[in-house]
Parts: sequence; structure tokens; C-alpha cells
Amino acid sequence: GNSVTQMEGPVTLSEEAFLTINCTYTATGYPSLFWYVQYPGEGLQLLLKATKADDKGSNKGFEATYRKETTSFHLEKGSVQVSDSAVYFCASPYGGSQGNLIFGKGTKLSVKP
Amino acid sequence: NAGVTQTPKFRVLKTGQSMTLLCAQDMNHEYMYWYRQDPGMGLRLIHYSVGEGTTAKGEVPDGYNVSRLKKQNFLLGLESAAPSQTSVYFCASSMRRGAFTDTQYFGPGTRLTVL
Repeated sequence: GNSVTQMEGPVTLSEEAFLTINCTYTATGYPSLFWYVQYPGEGLQLLLKATKADDKGSNKGFEATYRKETTSFHLEKGSVQVSDSAVYFCASPYGGSQGNLIFGKGTKLSVKP
Repeated sequence: NAGVTQTPKFRVLKTGQSMTLLCAQDMNHEYMYWYRQDPGMGLRLIHYSVGEGTTAKGEVPDGYNVSRLKKQNFLLGLESAAPSQTSVYFCASSMRRGAFTDTQYFGPGTRLTVL
């Protein structure tokens, strides 16, 4: 099946700093790619997604571009806020008939005022 | 719409006890999933269901059973709990297969501790 690897944290930034969280994938073909976010004490929620190569997903100031040349889907935000403190997961479909997602191990982001 | 709900939110069991976690979704989704989340491991698939009356094993199915008697509900059972099953359990659902374009919607999780 497909797999994803994301940078491990934790990542600590000051407010208004630039954020990059790296994610690379291995897959057969070009599956959709996702970033999910988990705020403290909550379940995961979709942050953004890209369904084909060269697509850019964006939401809440976050962006990620599906780059097939480098098999990457790095998450970026130009100016983080304290409210962005959360755990971020990169994900890809496992492949085959299961339909589930394969998740990276998560990157915990803490933003200090 | 409530989305995906899970019951209970917290539970403490003793080794050998049994329990059932309930997941319910009101989005008429075909696919439902149970994941467990452990520190440093991300989320791992336990079991999944592609429709009412069907279930299948995921990556870490041992020690768990599931049932999908109604389309909106997906139950996860632990027949004889073990400390290794201490984890946070998440249920998710999607309209079609989670592959390709469909988003998975997650419940708030159940934190289970087995002593």
C-alpha cells in the first residue's frame, strides 16, 4: 500500500513566524493527499486536500502543493497564530479496496505569543 | 447534523473486562472505520466497513471485533481487554471509499485505559 512520512516534532514557533511541515509519500499512481489537524482534546478534522498532481490545497491560511517530482505535500503557513497550536497529520489513501487513510505520525505545533 | 458521534468519551477497564464502543453517523455514509491513536504511532486502522452488514480487518485487528447491523452505526468490541489496548479510539466515516477524493469525518474519540 501507499505510505506517508512526515517530519516529527515537536515544533515550537513564535506568533507570526513561518511554518513548514514536511510530508513525502510513496504511492502507486497519484492518489489524493490530505492534511488533517487535531486540536487538543478533539478528533481529527480535514484541513486541506489535493486530488491530483500540481494541485494546491488551501484553508485557513495554510497551503500545500502536490508535487509529483519530489513526491511531497509540504504544509506551509506564512504567519502562524497561537490558535494554530495543534497536531498536524499528513495522510494518503492506503490503496486497494480498503478505502482507509494512511497517516503520518503527526507533528505537534506549539505557537508562543 | 451531529456528524460522527462516539460513546463513551472516557472509560477505564480492568484487564479481562469487555466493553463496546459505539459510533454513529448521520451523514448517510457508506464507509466507516475504527482507528486507534497511540503516541508516536499516528493512527492505525483496526477494522472497517464498506456497507451495512459488512466488515473487514485493518492493520491491527487482533483483540477487537466489530459489527455494522445498521448503516449509521459501527460498533467496536473488546472481548477481553488488555493493557496494550490502552489508547484513544477514533471512528470515521466517508461517503465512498476514503481513497481519491472523499474526505473522512472523524468523531471526537474515546479515551480507553486498561489497568
